[in-house]
Amino acid sequence: QITLKESGPTLVEPTQTLTLTCTFSGFSLTTTGVGVGWIRQPPGTALEWLALIYWDDDKSYSPSLKSRLTITKDTSKNQVVLTMTNMDPVDTATYYCAHFIYYYGSSGSQYNWFDPWGQGTLVTVSS
Amino acid sequence: QSVLSQPPSVSGAPGQRVTIPCTGSSSNIGAGHDVHWYQQFPGTAPKLLISGSSNRFSGSKSGTSASLAITGLQAEDEADYYCQSYDSSLSGVVFGGGTKLTVL
Repeated sequence: QITLKESGPTLVEPTQTLTLTCTFSGFSLTTTGVGVGWIRQPPGTALEWLALIYWDDDKSYSPSLKSRLTITKDTSKNQVVLTMTNMDPVDTATYYCAHFIYYYGSSGSQYNWFDPWGQGTLVTVSS
Repeated sequence: QSVLSQPPSVSGAPGQRVTIPCTGSSSNIGAGHDVHWYQQFPGTAPKLLISGSSNRFSGSKSGTSASLAITGLQAEDEADYYCQSYDSSLSGVVFGGGTKLTVL
């Protein structure tokens, strides 16, 4: 059974750096075709993908937030860490990590999905 | 502004069939990338909807659009639904803006 859980501060002041940890079990981040992603959801609004880290340590980031994000993994601890710099009140959201599966079709198309998700952690940015 | 477009809300009576459209572009759905759907109840994390796990939920794709069909609508289907794909131009995952399903 795959499980993931997010941890980190619930309150961050503007301009500070947010560090979130995703601790997972039930899979290995050294397995081909596996990754862990971070997604956030501001109150009452839609999901927004933030970052992905793949089994081979490749990384991808949302273009709009790329300059502020860093994702790393520690396979020995089964953890993935996301840092986001220069936090602003608009970054107030529930942050989720999720197990990610991907593979490529014959024409180069991507098949990928998040399953399962962690329970999420609400981060409020306020002074 | 989400890359994939969904209507903010849809509704249907119990037992009816409803569809939720997801409109993309040539760099995501139109490029042949897969589309997946998630169901989210208030205060909980999204959950992947897998067609086949329930005969009532099924996904389809045509051109630059996809849709989720729910048949035999039940009260417990009332939730938010999100589509998700991959975008070649952005080199990343994209989500729809979400659709709130109301069972009348």
